Amino acid sequence: QKEVEQDPGPLSVPEGAIVSLNCTYSNSAFQYFMWYRQYSRKGPELLMYTYSSGNKEDGRFTAQVDKSSKYISLFIRDSQPSDSATYLCAMSARTGNQFYFGTGTSLTVIP
Amino acid sequence: NAGVTQTPKFQVLKTGQSMTLQCAQDMNHEYMSWYRQDPGMGLRLIHYSVGAGITDQGEVPNGYNVSRSTTEDFPLRLLSAAPSQTSVYFCASRDLAGDYNEQFFGPGTRLTVL
Repeated sequence: QKEVEQDPGPLSVPEGAIVSLNCTYSNSAFQYFMWYRQYSRKGPELLMYTYSSGNKEDGRFTAQVDKSSKYISLFIRDSQPSDSATYLCAMSARTGNQFYFGTGTSLTVIP
Repeated sequence: NAGVTQTPKFQVLKTGQSMTLQCAQDMNHEYMSWYRQDPGMGLRLIHYSVGAGITDQGEVPNGYNVSRSTTEDFPLRLLSAAPSQTSVYFCASRDLAGDYNEQFFGPGTRLTVL
């Protein structure tokens, strides 16, 4: 079983829609939960991270962590064509030096 | 700051050839790492280092060697390339001070092994 599971999509939505991206994980030691955005043929860039459970909001982006269900989500409000990219979740233990990534979800926002 | 730089951008090898992928960072980060990204597999950690002279294995270390002689550089060596090593390789670095620090990724090296 993979440490992190993520639906690869692809996901296609109209501009202005709310997008929900999700990952599940199996390792209860994970404490840091990250979302990266990767444009085509570029390196991943950190969007946001959360520590332990709870919600975190940054502009149009909201990250949620439910440790009891081992489930994390990223919500994008008022999606824009510039949000079209692959979104990767990633996780690590609090004192760990290893990061585990999901396979990524490809998102297209149609104008 | 240039951030994390990787060379070459593209490389084609024949089976059995050796090569070194270069990675450098100018942010004085202690931690550096190498990932490979394959369709349907996501990013997988190959090797990482927490400082000069210190390296450790990640999820998929077989077929790859690393060394860290300076803070700035972290080269990845393929000793005898195999078609299974065809992938996009990313180098990343981060500061280790404090509880959490962002990983910064390089632009990647696209490697094809024939």
